[in-house]
Amino acid sequence: QKEVEQDPGPLSVPEGAIVSLNCTYSNSAFQYFMWYRQYSRKGPELLMYTYSSGNKEDGRFTAQVDKSSKYISLFIRDSQPSDSATYLCATPGGGATNKLIFGTGTLLAVQP
Amino acid sequence: EPEVTQTPSHQVTQMGQEVILRCVPISNHLYFYWYRQILGQKVEFLVSFYNNEISEKSEIFDDQFSVERPDGSNFTLKIRSTKLEDSAMYFCASMRGSSGGELFFGEGSRLTVL
Repeated sequence: QKEVEQDPGPLSVPEGAIVSLNCTYSNSAFQYFMWYRQYSRKGPELLMYTYSSGNKEDGRFTAQVDKSSKYISLFIRDSQPSDSATYLCATPGGGATNKLIFGTGTLLAVQP
Repeated sequence: EPEVTQTPSHQVTQMGQEVILRCVPISNHLYFYWYRQILGQKVEFLVSFYNNEISEKSEIFDDQFSVERPDGSNFTLKIRSTKLEDSAMYFCASMRGSSGGELFFGEGSRLTVL
């Protein structure tokens, strides 16, 4: 079983829509979860960082973790064309250096 | 804003050649990483480096690969005898501390092996 799974999309929405991006994970020991945004031919950049269950909001972005179902979500309100990118969920895999385990990423296109 | 810089942005090489990818991590960071992303696939951990030695490596990081911090600022990934399947984006990343800190990525070096 893959440690972090993510629907690769692509997901296409009209400008202004609410976007829901989701990941599942297999190891109940995972506690930290991140969402990275990756524009085409660029490196990933950290969007949101959450610990344990619950919601975290930052502007138009809300990250949600449901540890009971091992499900993490990123919601984008009032989506903009500039949000068009690949969104990667990630979690530290433990070990000595907290290497990140990434999902495959979901490609989002926000149409103007 | 401090950033991780990588060179070259794109390198084309012949199969069997050696390649060195270079990275300058953020200056006060202590943990350094290389990740790889084959086209259409997920970002994969290769190796982490701390205190001038490898602290963790993945099964991908075999004897073909090596890392070095030659001068206290640069962090290099060497790939010996490149294979076609080494074609990928290679991302360098750095982090200040090990405990839940933000990992900053460079823009990547695209390696094409012909």
